[in-house]
Amino acid sequence: SQELEQSPQSLIVQEGKNLTINCTSSKTLYGLYWYKQKYGEGLIFLMMLQKGGEEKSHEKITAKLDEKKQQSSLHITASQPSHAGIYLCGAAFSSGTYKYIFGTGTRLKVLA
Amino acid sequence: EAEVAQSPRYKITEKSQAVAFWCDPISGHATLYWYRQILGQGPELLVQFQDESVVDDSQLPKDRFSAERLKGVDSTLKIQPAELGDSAMYLCASSFDASWQNTGELFFGEGSRLTVL
Repeated sequence: SQELEQSPQSLIVQEGKNLTINCTSSKTLYGLYWYKQKYGEGLIFLMMLQKGGEEKSHEKITAKLDEKKQQSSLHITASQPSHAGIYLCGAAFSSGTYKYIFGTGTRLKVLA
Repeated sequence: EAEVAQSPRYKITEKSQAVAFWCDPISGHATLYWYRQILGQGPELLVQFQDESVVDDSQLPKDRFSAERLKGVDSTLKIQPAELGDSAMYLCASSFDASWQNTGELFFGEGSRLTVL
């Protein structure tokens, strides 16, 4: 989606390393969602951020929404092979009704 | 645990043939979404239903694609005729409500992978 841009497109890290994935919107976000997708499967919800400056953590994954609510980052600490997959940010945009769209995705590979 | 059911899981078809995908959302979820995901890209919203009504189908190629959710429960996405470029994963998702205050998370099915030869 052009409304949500993710970077990098792909990432290869050594096990134990930290990494960050970014999601940028051209519009103010009312909320931002992070999902993880294993190859060939559906998406699994990770966390939701709604307030500017909000930060949430789940196990070794931390996500933050900036104060302007136009950018979010996902940070993985001490990466493990189980973190491998595609990370997608999603948001609802209003165009008369609310459309739920996704970013371009970041493919993560963790080398053991 | 309640799940979104999709079928078939895999479909191989020849171009110009018709193909249909079925989705049964989590019970009580008013909003149902169909996405198309091409390999290496993020999911693209094709159609979004609120109960039985289409609330957005702006990206649905209406000359060949159709979607319905007649009783506001399960849904069918059809492609006729299929083209080579339709090869993709078709994902169905549901949520409790589409209004922003209640959108919350989307629950996804396992997807239907289509290969058009």
